[in-house]
Amino acid sequence: AQTVTQSQPEMSVQEAETVTLSCTYDTSESDYYLFWYKQPPSRQMILVIRQEAYKQQNATENRFSVNFQKAAKSFSLKISDSQLGDAAMYFCASSNYGQNFVFGPGTRLSVLP
Amino acid sequence: GAVVSQHPSWVICKSGTSVKIECRSLDFQATTMFWYRQFPKQSLMLMATSNEGSKATYEQGVEKDKFLINHASLTLSTLTVTSAHPEDSSFYICSVRTSKYEQFFGPGTRLTVL
Repeated sequence: AQTVTQSQPEMSVQEAETVTLSCTYDTSESDYYLFWYKQPPSRQMILVIRQEAYKQQNATENRFSVNFQKAAKSFSLKISDSQLGDAAMYFCASSNYGQNFVFGPGTRLSVLP
Repeated sequence: GAVVSQHPSWVICKSGTSVKIECRSLDFQATTMFWYRQFPKQSLMLMATSNEGSKATYEQGVEKDKFLINHASLTLSTLTVTSAHPEDSSFYICSVRTSKYEQFFGPGTRLTVL
């Protein structure tokens, strides 16, 4: 069975600074994807970034990047140059081949002006 | 990707009544959709997998007779909460599977049962 853990219920960052959100996961599969989703107050789930497990190179999307440590089963999200609009709940998720998503409990990120 | 809509966005109903929530895939032929429930300050919990033309698969602990799912076409899945009670008040989110790994989410439906 898949499990996803986010050990930081809440985080805060100063505007324009960098913050890292932690995520660890457990799966017995070798073929899987990892995701970070953002859920703003509107509650629409927005895909931030995804990582294919077979790729060693860390995924990046503009100000968002991940640190994927496959052996350690760690998948952290780094947000650079934080903006007020980045304030939201962030969920880490894993997806085994053909199976469902499993979400972590979430981290609430506050961005301080 | 896929554009997913849900209707209604917010519904209030009296205890004991039934409520239907629609999930539409606007630009993707969806053979598989998912229904999630999210309580305040909690994560998304999968309720059921909706398969076009066949019976839904429910997660453990989810009452299939209470949460009726119909996936009659490749663009529409419906979730009916039967005999709703206040404890069913929650945020319901559907998603469309577009590949073996990816899902795209609807905007959610807030259900309030008085």
